[in-house]
Parts: sequence; structure tokens; C-alpha cells
Amino acid sequence: AQSVTQPDIHITVSEGASLELRCNYSYGATPYLFWYVQSPGQGLQLLLKYFSGDTLVQGIKGFEAEFKRSQSSFNLRKPSVHWSDAAEYFCAVVAGDTGFQKLVFGTGTRLLVSP
Amino acid sequence: DSGVTQTPKHLITATGQRVTLRCSPRSGDLSVYWYQQSLDQGLQFLIQYYNGEERAKGNILERFSAQQFPDLHSELNLSSLELGDSALYFCASSPQTGYEQYFGPGTRLTVT
Repeated sequence: AQSVTQPDIHITVSEGASLELRCNYSYGATPYLFWYVQSPGQGLQLLLKYFSGDTLVQGIKGFEAEFKRSQSSFNLRKPSVHWSDAAEYFCAVVAGDTGFQKLVFGTGTRLLVSP
Repeated sequence: DSGVTQTPKHLITATGQRVTLRCSPRSGDLSVYWYQQSLDQGLQFLIQYYNGEERAKGNILERFSAQQFPDLHSELNLSSLELGDSALYFCASSPQTGYEQYFGPGTRLTVT
């Protein structure tokens, strides 16, 4: 079954420092991968997506992610973190047959930004 | 703003009661998904509708049901509520030509 692992429950980064959030997936074929962000009390906002093609994808808010098939990873990066980036980040993979594509989420990584 | 709307934002009710959560997808999206987010289970897929028809079920309890109406809005009905049903319930919709899902702001259900 398709699954996603986010090994870090919490990460603390200083404002202005770079960020990398890890995501590993388990999927037989080429996966469709996503990163979502959830601010406290808010819904999930789509940051970026990978379907195929260029393995480095750009998203909103200055985020990017790199798909590495050899490592089954889809890590999220940002070169300089802002205090407003403090939130919970979820990696997800589409699972299911054509026409039925549920999202399978990782357990999330909570990002704390220190001044 | 994703374009997906959900009402109500908060709901407080007692055990044994029944509630209805409502969702309107983005304009043009035919698929609606329901998810439950709780501290112990994380984000779990409940059910999907496509153009009025149930397409797939996930970890949805028998006490829960959903439907999608001709105008494509969807309702999730939760009955015989238990304390453990307290959670955030999200609705999402997806475009016909893509796999990404856009989430609404959620309904926070508290069962007392």
C-alpha cells in the first residue's frame, strides 16, 4: 500500500536560515506527490506538486522540492525561513486507481521558527 | 482562499446527537473528498464523490454517511456521535484534469 513517512515530528529553525523537511514515500509506480502546509486553526494549503518531468519543482511562498526516485524521497526546501513559515507541513501521495485518487498523508512535521 | 467552502466552522454537540457538515467545491470541480483530522489518527480519507456518485470509501464509520447533490455541494452526516468523533473534518475538491486536491477551511467538531 502507498505510504508516506515524515521522520521529523518537530524542527526548529532560526529565522533566515535554510530549511529542509524530509519525506519518504512507498509506491510502486511513479508517484504523484504533494506538500501541504497547515497554519494553526486553518485548512491545508497546497504548496507544490510533482507529477512527472523536472524533478525540482517550485511552489508558492518560495518553497521548492526535489523528487529523488533512487531515494524514494521528496524533500521540501526553502533557502531562507521567515517567521510566518511556522506551521505544520504534510507530505502526501496520491493512491488509488484512475478516477479514485485519495491522498495518503504523512504524520506531519511541525516547524518552529526562532528569532 | 482555495475556493472550497465549508460550513459551519465550529460545531459543539452532545454524545448521541447527529450533525451535518456542508461543503461546496471549487467552481468546475466534480470530485469532492472528505477527510478527518484527529490527534491520534492524523489525516484520514473518509469518502469520495464524483459528479453525484460515490466513488470510493476509506476509513468511514457506518454511523457516517455522505452525499453529493446535483449542484455538486456535498454533505457529511455524522450520527450517534461519540466523544472520539471530535476532530477537524475537511472537504477537498479536485479538477478533472489534475490530481491535486484543494482543501476547505474545515469544520471543527467537538462532542461533549
